[in-house]
Amino acid sequence: DAGITQSPRHKVTETGTPVTLRCHQTENHRYMYWYRQDPGHGLRLIHYSYGVKDTDKGEVSDGYSVSRSKTEDFLLTLESATSSQTSVYFCAIKQTGGTNTEAFFGQGTRLTVV
Amino acid sequence: RKEVEQDPGPFNVPEGATVAFNCTYSNSASQSFFWYRQDCRKEPKLLMSVYSSGNEDGRFTAQLNRASQYISLLIRDSKLSDSATYLCVVTTNAGGTSYGKLTFGQGTILTVHP
Repeated sequence: DAGITQSPRHKVTETGTPVTLRCHQTENHRYMYWYRQDPGHGLRLIHYSYGVKDTDKGEVSDGYSVSRSKTEDFLLTLESATSSQTSVYFCAIKQTGGTNTEAFFGQGTRLTVV
Repeated sequence: RKEVEQDPGPFNVPEGATVAFNCTYSNSASQSFFWYRQDCRKEPKLLMSVYSSGNEDGRFTAQLNRASQYISLLIRDSKLSDSATYLCVVTTNAGGTSYGKLTFGQGTILTVHP
């Protein structure tokens, strides 16, 4: 299995509180992604990174920020959590930016905002 | 219109049945295509890539029709262990730093029963 770890695996938080999810990889892959998965929507891209300190927005980036200060870690922050951000969050990594390379996923973080 | 569309199912089939899933994509610049499998409460994992000439892996056959922007997955001799959600994934090189953007369909749920 690809060396990708998400933490925490489960979290319950209150509306309005900040939350940070961590994705850690041991594969030295350049590309890292954060997705959220909701019923009826599949996986939707929040943010991605193509290198240290290089990040860009995905299709559902509002309310989220990211940081990547080193190759192995990609952090997703909800500055002020809302109930609409209750979801399962997946981190993914890819070795290259090529379109034909496989993406590997972390085990997911189940976030509940109450 | 969603970039990648799948019939969400669910498909309920008996063991030994043949079942086919379809997926359409809207971006004609899409370059690579994949089927991922996701078990309940688990992360997505690559099932197979889809090549223009069609490809087979044991009981699984994938087809691509670029002209119709259509992808299919055929499962023969279904097993109980095939029960999962099958995700159609399309990759586009959006240029600039947006390499290898993955877009997911919402997934098709398959249940194989005895």
